Formats: sequence, structure tokens, C-alpha cells
Amino acid sequence: AQTVTQSQPEMSVQEAETVTLSCTYDTSENNYYLFWYKQPPSRQMILVIRQEAYKQQNATENRFSVNFQKAAKSFSLKISDSQLGDTAMYFCAFMRGFGNEKLTFGTGTRLTIIP
Amino acid sequence: EAQVTQNPRYLITVTGKKLTVTCSQNMNHEYMSWYRQDPGLGLRQIYYSMNVEVTDKGDVPEGYKVSRKEKRNFPLILESPSPNQTSLYFCASKETDSISYEQYFGPGTRLTVT
Repeated sequence: AQTVTQSQPEMSVQEAETVTLSCTYDTSENNYYLFWYKQPPSRQMILVIRQEAYKQQNATENRFSVNFQKAAKSFSLKISDSQLGDTAMYFCAFMRGFGNEKLTFGTGTRLTIIP
Repeated sequence: EAQVTQNPRYLITVTGKKLTVTCSQNMNHEYMSWYRQDPGLGLRQIYYSMNVEVTDKGDVPEGYKVSRKEKRNFPLILESPSPNQTSLYFCASKETDSISYEQYFGPGTRLTVT
């Protein structure tokens, strides 16, 4: 079974600074997908960024980027120029290859951006 | 607008009173799933469905039932709710082709069982 670990229950950072959220996972699969989801106070689950395991290049989406280390089974999220709207719970999630669509989530990191 | 809807959004009920949380998607997705979210545990899968009339257990299925009679609907049924089922519930849907990776989540249903 796959497991996803987020070791930082809470983090805070000053507005405009950069913050990195950690995620490690355990799997014996070679083909899989990794995701970061954002959950603001509205509780909506919002996909922030994804990474396909077969791609060596780290994914980026505007101010959000990942550091994907396949051998180390590490998948951290970097938020640059943090904004007040980034305040949310962030979940790391794992999905095996297609045909088994289940998302396995970490326990989340509560991020607070301080004005 | 492509979306997943859930009803009700909030529900307070008593132990043992049967309830159903509805989920509907308008994207013609084959795959649908239910998750529950609890503090310190993240989201865990309850049940999923690969298509009409095809359902299977997830990681925490005890105390829940589902049905998939139509492609767009995937209701979650609690036959005899207990306080340990107090949680935030999410329905999600997804295409099952090899190029679609994103799961679309509903807005969540906050359930309290007293």
C-alpha cells in the first residue's frame, strides 16, 4: 500500500517570502502521479500542481513549483512571492497509474501567510 | 459549467437515523469516488465506482453504502450513522482515459452525528 507523509503540520511565512512544504511517499510502483491540493477556508479542494513520475523535469505553475526527487521519494512544493490568498491547508497526494484512480493523501500542512 | 455537486452541504443528525448524501457530476465521467476528511488524517477513500453498476470498497468502507444506477449520480448512504462518522465528506469524479489526471471535487458535506 502507498503512504504519503507530510511532516509539517503547520507553517507560517511573511507575505512575499518563499516557503517550501515537504512531502515524502512510499511506493513500489514505477508509474504514478503526484499532486498538491490546496484547501482554503471554503473547504474546496483545488488542484495546485501535478507531477508525472516518468518526467524528470520539475513541474511549475506560475508561483508554484515542485522539487521531485524520485529516488528519494520526495515531492516538495515551493511557493514563491507568497500572497495572503495562499493561506490554506495543503495536501500532498499520490495516484497510481491509470486503472486505479484512488488518491492517497498526506495529513496536510496548514500554511498561514502573515501580512 | 463543469462541476460536481453535493447535497446537503451541512447536516446534523442523530445516531441511527438513515441518511443519504447525494453527489452528481455533469462531465460524463466514468469514475466517481467518496472521501472523508478528518483532522490529522487527511482524506481517505470510502468507496469508488469505475462505471454504472460497478462499485468497490476503498480504505474505510465500514458503515457506508453506495450505488451507481446512473452515470452522473453516486449517492453515499449511511444506514445507521454513528458519532464516529462525523466528518467532512467529499465526492470526486474523473475521466478514466490515459491522459486525464485531474479529479474534480465537490464542495464537501459537513456531517455531524450526535
